[in-house]
Amino acid sequence: KAGVTQTPRYLIKTRGQQVTLSCSPISGHRSVSWYQQTPGQGLQFLFEYFSETQRNKGNFPGRFSGRQFSNSRSEMNVSTLELGDSALYLCASSLRSAGDSETQYFGPGTRLLVL
Amino acid sequence: GNSVTQMEGPVTLSEEAFLTINCTYTATGYPSLFWYVQYPGEGLQLLLKATKADDKGSNKGFEATYRKETTSFHLEKGSVQVSDSAVYFCALGDDKIIFGKGTRLHILP
Repeated sequence: KAGVTQTPRYLIKTRGQQVTLSCSPISGHRSVSWYQQTPGQGLQFLFEYFSETQRNKGNFPGRFSGRQFSNSRSEMNVSTLELGDSALYLCASSLRSAGDSETQYFGPGTRLLVL
Repeated sequence: GNSVTQMEGPVTLSEEAFLTINCTYTATGYPSLFWYVQYPGEGLQLLLKATKADDKGSNKGFEATYRKETTSFHLEKGSVQVSDSAVYFCALGDDKIIFGKGTRLHILP
């Protein structure tokens, strides 16, 4: 079974631009979560989508948004990029039974550098 | 709210040494507990998990026991290898997964 894939793997943008990252979950997984990883803050939860609906949201500004498609693929978008948005963005998928914490399977991440 | 605290690194050990990475948690209810590992340039991989008190998770020689009385889930390995060098994350999950800040482990040959 193919693992979680993320595209692109690396991205360089300038301040003020916007960016869209893509995540394809493991086949059959309906939940996709997004995390931001930085050396200073560690792993921070952005949001989770389940069956095309946002199920949970972390404490990030509205510039960070996401969506999920009917095939469970997910995208996250960051608008008006700031230098502090430079990070590794990780996507994770799981089977996600309702109200239960399933094992998450992570992709390799997209490394975003904002100049 | 729920939280995870793990020992700060880096931790440097010689090959074949005994490893302990401490992890404590604060949670309402009885969440599942996880250890994830991140090798350089890669995403996180599940190392082991435990879903209820006194459960022991184990994988690749690593073990951790869910201790409700001490709210801990310490990671141990009896004899580490150079290939174990990575960042280790303790995490708890109820409705979402909450990660600790990670502990970088260096194993010297």
